[in-house]
Amino acid sequence: AQSVTQPDIHITVSEGASLELRCNYSYGATPYLFWYVQSPGQGLQLLLKYFSGDTLVQGIKGFEAEFKRSQSSFNLRKPSVHWSDAAEYFCALTAGTALIFGKGTTLSVSS
Amino acid sequence: KAGVTQTPRYLIKTRGQQVTLSCSPISGHRSVSWYQQTPGQGLQFLFEYFSETQRNKGNFPGRFSGRQFSNSRSEMNVSTLELGDSALYLCASSKTGYEQYFGPGTRLTVT
Repeated sequence: AQSVTQPDIHITVSEGASLELRCNYSYGATPYLFWYVQSPGQGLQLLLKYFSGDTLVQGIKGFEAEFKRSQSSFNLRKPSVHWSDAAEYFCALTAGTALIFGKGTTLSVSS
Repeated sequence: KAGVTQTPRYLIKTRGQQVTLSCSPISGHRSVSWYQQTPGQGLQFLFEYFSETQRNKGNFPGRFSGRQFSNSRSEMNVSTLELGDSALYLCASSKTGYEQYFGPGTRLTVT
């Protein structure tokens, strides 16, 4: 069955430090993969997507993610975190046209 | 380009009542999907409409239904509301059904 696992429920990072959020997936073929961000009380904003091709994808707000087929992973990274990055982050894959989401990782940024 | 809009943003209903939520997709997008977000279950896919036809459906009871109009606007209906239906309902639009853009959501509280 298709699934997405985000192993870290909550992460705290100092402002200016680097960030990596983990995402592992289970899917029978190469999936389409996404990272979304959600601020409190808001909808989801698409950060970046992977469909095929280059395994390192660039997104908005300085985020990037690397697809590793051998590890079934699609980790999100940012070299320097800003206080405004504090939010909940969701990794997702498409099963047909339905998005399957992980449980999310809450990012806190300390000063 | 205007984003996905959802109305109303907040709703309070009583058990046993029914509710209708509305979603206007991004101009040019023919696919509209609906998701339920709760603290316990996370983000779950309800259904997807494409060109007025339901193309995909999640694992929700028949009390949850939807439709799409010729202008791609979509409505979601929940009949015989239960306390467990309290959630954030998110609508997403897409040109193809894969890369989905979300609205701000409708917060439904059932008392």
